Amino acid sequence: EMQLVESGGGLVQPGGSLRLSCAASGFTFSNYAMSWVRQAPGKGLEWVSGISGSGGSTYYADSVKGRFTISRDNSKNTLYLQMNSLRAEDTAVYYCPKAPTDKPYYFDYWGQGTLVTVSS
Amino acid sequence: QSVLTQPPSASGTPGQRVTISCSGSSSNIGINHVYWYQQLPGTAPKLLIYRNNQRPSGVPDRFSGSKSGTSASLAISGLRSEDEADYYCAAWDDSLSGVVFGGGTKLTVL
Repeated sequence: EMQLVESGGGLVQPGGSLRLSCAASGFTFSNYAMSWVRQAPGKGLEWVSGISGSGGSTYYADSVKGRFTISRDNSKNTLYLQMNSLRAEDTAVYYCPKAPTDKPYYFDYWGQGTLVTVSS
Repeated sequence: QSVLTQPPSASGTPGQRVTISCSGSSSNIGINHVYWYQQLPGTAPKLLIYRNNQRPSGVPDRFSGSKSGTSASLAISGLRSEDEADYYCAAWDDSLSGVVFGGGTKLTVL
């Protein structure tokens, strides 16, 4: 059974850093692109970043470019999001959906998300 | 402000047919496929329609998608109470090199 389990969320002060993880199981992780998508409280979905199956190609939303870094360790079946210089507007539930291809164009499976709260 | 534009709300009575529109531009919907996601209250999103009009296994044929030019729409026929959810359209944007979402449409079944 396919599973995506996000972790690493929590409360962090503005300007601080946090690293999210997404543990994948039930499929050949390295074959598929992955993304991070967030949802602020009571708001809609916002794509944050994507990465190809090999990790050789990465993509970022303008809102996080230069502050967030996506990476993956295919030997550990784990996706990461390093978040630096956090702002209040980064507060959201962060999901790590899987793409059905090597391009992060769309998402066929989602985890349950992890909540990041940026506040002093 | 979302790159793709959806109406914030839609409603219908059980058994009715409702449609939700999604408007984009030449850099996203105009040249790429459209996807639709359903988010039931308190849950993660779920893929509903892919490549404009394809349904993943397990999605009822009451749900259908279409695309024309820089716009797309999701139709739900035979509306049921369990269809009450938020619906999002999405597409890859070549200019932004990223996925763009609509703002979401909250569907209420009266």
